[in-house]
Amino acid sequence: NAGVMQNPRHLVRRRGQEARLRCSPMKGHSHVYWYRQLPEEGLKFMVYLQKENIIDESGMPKERFSAEFPKEGPSILRIQQVVRGDSAAYFCASSPPGQGAVGELFFGEGSRLTVL
Amino acid sequence: QKEVEQDPGPLSVPEGAIVSLNCTYSNSAFQYFMWYRQYSRKGPELLMYTYSSGNKEDGRFTAQVDKSSKYISLFIRDSQPSDSATYLCATYNAGNMLTFGGGTRLMVKP
Repeated sequence: NAGVMQNPRHLVRRRGQEARLRCSPMKGHSHVYWYRQLPEEGLKFMVYLQKENIIDESGMPKERFSAEFPKEGPSILRIQQVVRGDSAAYFCASSPPGQGAVGELFFGEGSRLTVL
Repeated sequence: QKEVEQDPGPLSVPEGAIVSLNCTYSNSAFQYFMWYRQYSRKGPELLMYTYSSGNKEDGRFTAQVDKSSKYISLFIRDSQPSDSATYLCATYNAGNMLTFGGGTRLMVKP
């Protein structure tokens, strides 16, 4: 059973470009979470999605960032007009349906964004 | 004030030592407490979780929660070089999202 798959693992963008990060949850999981980890810092919650719905986006910056989890295909975290401060590791996690808000999150290996 | 705080370390110990990792949290409503382990350049993986106060043991690892002082601890007995990683504590209240501490980097030297 494949784990949470994230791609690309590494992404380099110049300031002002767009970054798209993809996440395929574990098989059977319908809840997806995105976290950001800055160097030497912990994981910061960004957004929680279920299929076709954003459940909680309280951790998302108000501008330039968006996320989706379509009925078919992976979840996408999109960052428009990237700035150097967006350089970080972005982790996706998933959990199975019925677990509710409590339980184990299964993390992918992260996508590392570098903005030049 | 951060919701969950950890000393970032690094904490360096010799192989075989007992390791104590600690966190404090601010929200007394938190009920679930977790420890995740993160190896370098990898995603976090759940190590242990506890509900409310008390101890929980799993092999060489013991998680301890003291809700009266809002203090979470992870003890590792007979530490091994393979335990070298960053340890993240997290709290999880129903209806809230998982909130992580900044992580403590542990190095176990052979």
